Amino acid sequence: SQTIHQWPATLVQPVGSPLSLECTVEGTSNPNLYWYRQAAGRGLQLLFYSVGIGQISSEVPQNLSASRPQDRQFILSSKKLLLSDSGFYLCAWNRRSGANVLTFGAGSRLTVL
Amino acid sequence: AQSVTQLGSHVSVSEGALVLLRCNYSSSVPPYLFWYVQYPNQGLQLLLKYTSAATLVKGINGFEAEFKKSETSFHLTKPSAHMSDAAEYFCAVSDTTGANNLFFGTGTRLTVIP
Repeated sequence: SQTIHQWPATLVQPVGSPLSLECTVEGTSNPNLYWYRQAAGRGLQLLFYSVGIGQISSEVPQNLSASRPQDRQFILSSKKLLLSDSGFYLCAWNRRSGANVLTFGAGSRLTVL
Repeated sequence: AQSVTQLGSHVSVSEGALVLLRCNYSSSVPPYLFWYVQYPNQGLQLLLKYTSAATLVKGINGFEAEFKKSETSFHLTKPSAHMSDAAEYFCAVSDTTGANNLFFGTGTRLTVIP
């Protein structure tokens, strides 16, 4: 069966510090991978998605970047965090074809102080 | 472009009462539609999905949703609320432009009153 892992689960960082959130998927190959952000009281905002190694599409220009160094690894990064980067970050995957069902990781809560 | 609208950011029901969470979609092509549930500080879990088969879709935990094309709706229902149903619920529609993504509504927080 397929599993998706995200870490760290919780992170408190000062403004201006770097960020690295990691996501890995097991039990499948060639998945589509996604990073979403959920700010307090708001819905899910798609940040990045990837259909393959080194292929990243950005949905919203901002202070963050994403990379996919391996088929089942997706990394969300920032060089300098802003207060507005605080939120709950969710990684998700789905198959290339089919009914688009997204499977989510448990999330990473980032607080920027 | 595809989108969903969830009416009511907060819904409160008594334990044992009917749960009705509303979702209307916009799509230029026949959509795939989904309901997800999120418990505090957790990821989203798929409740059910509509993929153009039966219009009444049954999901986990006793939830079901009915696809009504004439009303462009996909409302989520459960006959009798349980305390464990308290969570946030998201409706989503498939992206048909090639990204294989989902567009999510802003969510409805369900509170169950004992």
